[in-house]
Amino acid sequence: AQSVTQLDSQVPVFEEAPVELRCNYSSSVSVYLFWYVQYPNQGLQLLLKYLSGSTLVKGINGFEAEFNKSQTSFHLRKPSVHISDTAEYFCAVSDSRGQGGSEKLVFGKGTKLTVNP
Amino acid sequence: DTGVSQDPRHKITKRGQNVTFRCDPISEHNRLYWYRQTLGQGPEFLTYFQNEAQLEKSRLLSDRFSAERPKGSFSTLEIQRTEQGDSAMYLCASSPEARAFRAFFGQGTRLTVV
Repeated sequence: AQSVTQLDSQVPVFEEAPVELRCNYSSSVSVYLFWYVQYPNQGLQLLLKYLSGSTLVKGINGFEAEFNKSQTSFHLRKPSVHISDTAEYFCAVSDSRGQGGSEKLVFGKGTKLTVNP
Repeated sequence: DTGVSQDPRHKITKRGQNVTFRCDPISEHNRLYWYRQTLGQGPEFLTYFQNEAQLEKSRLLSDRFSAERPKGSFSTLEIQRTEQGDSAMYLCASSPEARAFRAFFGQGTRLTVV
């Protein structure tokens, strides 16, 4: 079984400031890791994913995340945020075992990022 | 628009009534997923289909819930004898392959049980 903990439910920041949204996970099997973004009244959109290889992954809209296996973390960062980044961000994991593994995504509770002018 | 379409977008129902939601996936996507998102929580997996076969169901899917995907195209999710705890956003997603992260999500159906 997998679980995801997003340590901050709300993160307010000023425009052009850096931001880090924290995510920790636990799993008894190997996993893939993801960040999704949900803008108001819109569906979930994949921001970035870690499948294998380099632990630093880059996504859309200038976001990046770093996989840390020893700390079971996958924190999301952006060096300079814009008003338009205001949204809810979800960290998620899925079983990476392929055939025989579950296809579901397991999400954290979400972090509401508010960018203020 | 060729995205995942869900209907209705909003549904208000009285406790004890039955409701049915529809999801139209992206054409030729053989995987279809249902998730439920309650206030202050992330989406929780309910079930998924490969074509018309329902391959996995969550324990969240009580016997009052049933999902179908006849002919492997659109899917319906029915909730019988609704309870206030069923109030949530019901999300549908479809994927062209056996990887959930390849899925595209619809905008959801918001259910309010009064």
